Amino acid sequence: KAGVTQTPRYLIKTRGQQVTLSCSPISGHRSVSWYQQTPGQGLQFLFEYFSETQRNKGNFPGRFSGRQFSNSRSEMNVSTLELGDSALYLCASSLVSGLGELFFGEGSRLTVL
Amino acid sequence: DQQVKQNSPSLSVQEGRISILNCDYTNSMFDYFLWYKKYPAEGPTFLISISSIKDKNEDGRFTVFLNKSAKHLSLHIVPSQPGDSAVYFCAASAEEGKIIFGKGTRLHILP
Repeated sequence: KAGVTQTPRYLIKTRGQQVTLSCSPISGHRSVSWYQQTPGQGLQFLFEYFSETQRNKGNFPGRFSGRQFSNSRSEMNVSTLELGDSALYLCASSLVSGLGELFFGEGSRLTVL
Repeated sequence: DQQVKQNSPSLSVQEGRISILNCDYTNSMFDYFLWYKKYPAEGPTFLISISSIKDKNEDGRFTVFLNKSAKHLSLHIVPSQPGDSAVYFCAASAEEGKIIFGKGTRLHILP
């Protein structure tokens, strides 16, 4: 069965712009989580959606937002981009919310110039 | 505040020997712990997990030990193989939908 698909894989933006990243979970998975990976900070939790509802949120500013659609696909948006937003953004899906194995996509690498 | 800590950024181990990766946590509410492995240009992949009601879980060459009183867990890989060279992330969960990861330890398996 197909894995977690993230698009785009790579993108370059400039400061002040906004970006939307997309994630298609494994078929049947209803939970989608987003993480930011940077060299010094490891994987930092952004938010988790389950059945179109945000169930948990990490400690990121309001510029970071997301949503989940009825088919479980998810998008995250970052507005007013800053240089420090350059990172690998990883999406993970799971059958149920919380406990259990997360299946990660390959990530979207964002570079902000 | 870092709730899951992997204090060794990197570790080098001879092929065939035991690799021990350590992880400490601060939140006593964590009740489920996981290890993930990540190769460059790929997303992390699940390796092994352990519930707080256990102190050991084994899966082939991988064993995770949990010491709740010390708030410490470790991943043992025996014997270490070249394909084990990767970044290993420790993760923990206390509430549904929120899994917190450490910063990772890069494991190098030496020939």
